[in-house]
Amino acid sequence: QAVVTQEPSLTVSPGGTVTLTCGSSTGDVTSGHYPYWFQQKPGQAPRTLIYDTYKKHSWTPDRFSGSLLGGKGALTLSDAQPEDEADYYCLLSYSVSRRVFGTGTKVTVL
Amino acid sequence: EVQLVESGGGLIQPGGSLRVSCAASGFIVSNNFMSWVRQAPGKGLEWVSAIYSGDNTYYADSVKGRFTISRDTSKNTLYLQMNSLRAEDTAVYYCMRFPLAEWGQGTLVTVSS
Repeated sequence: QAVVTQEPSLTVSPGGTVTLTCGSSTGDVTSGHYPYWFQQKPGQAPRTLIYDTYKKHSWTPDRFSGSLLGGKGALTLSDAQPEDEADYYCLLSYSVSRRVFGTGTKVTVL
Repeated sequence: EVQLVESGGGLIQPGGSLRVSCAASGFIVSNNFMSWVRQAPGKGLEWVSAIYSGDNTYYADSVKGRFTISRDTSKNTLYLQMNSLRAEDTAVYYCMRFPLAEWGQGTLVTVSS
């Protein structure tokens, strides 16, 4: 079973930029893993920010962007806002049926 | 507009059975890749089960042999039948539609005596 690793926690200043990463125990993350990124605030269901590496939903703020960076999936938050404080999870696809969530990153805007 | 509404959660004793449902609107469940994901209290997300083209199914090792995913075309609903429940199955259960990864609001299953 693959393990998908994220930073446990990150802090960003209001208006600042932070990059979250999503690494795989099996090797480099590629577009073939179709990386997803989800945001979850306390007491709420997760919502999808990014799918298929970089694609955005209509509700995804422009300050969020997805990419591949140094063999990992990456979510970059620019111009961070207080409402961006949340847990963030990635998801990687290893086959049609087998998908694994990342360990999650708690982002603090301070 | 796509909507996913889970229901059927509750308190169940260890060893018991429960079926959770996910009523869908705005699309046809049987034509889509559908999944169940769970989140134990204070923990991260776990991929539990999926059903896709031709009624192919997948289960995480932690639930294999105990859980069954299915769908009812006439009701446009996804199900997760959970048997031999354990305390570690306590979680909020979410249904999801892929590839856009839309989520329902979740239903809480608590396994406790």
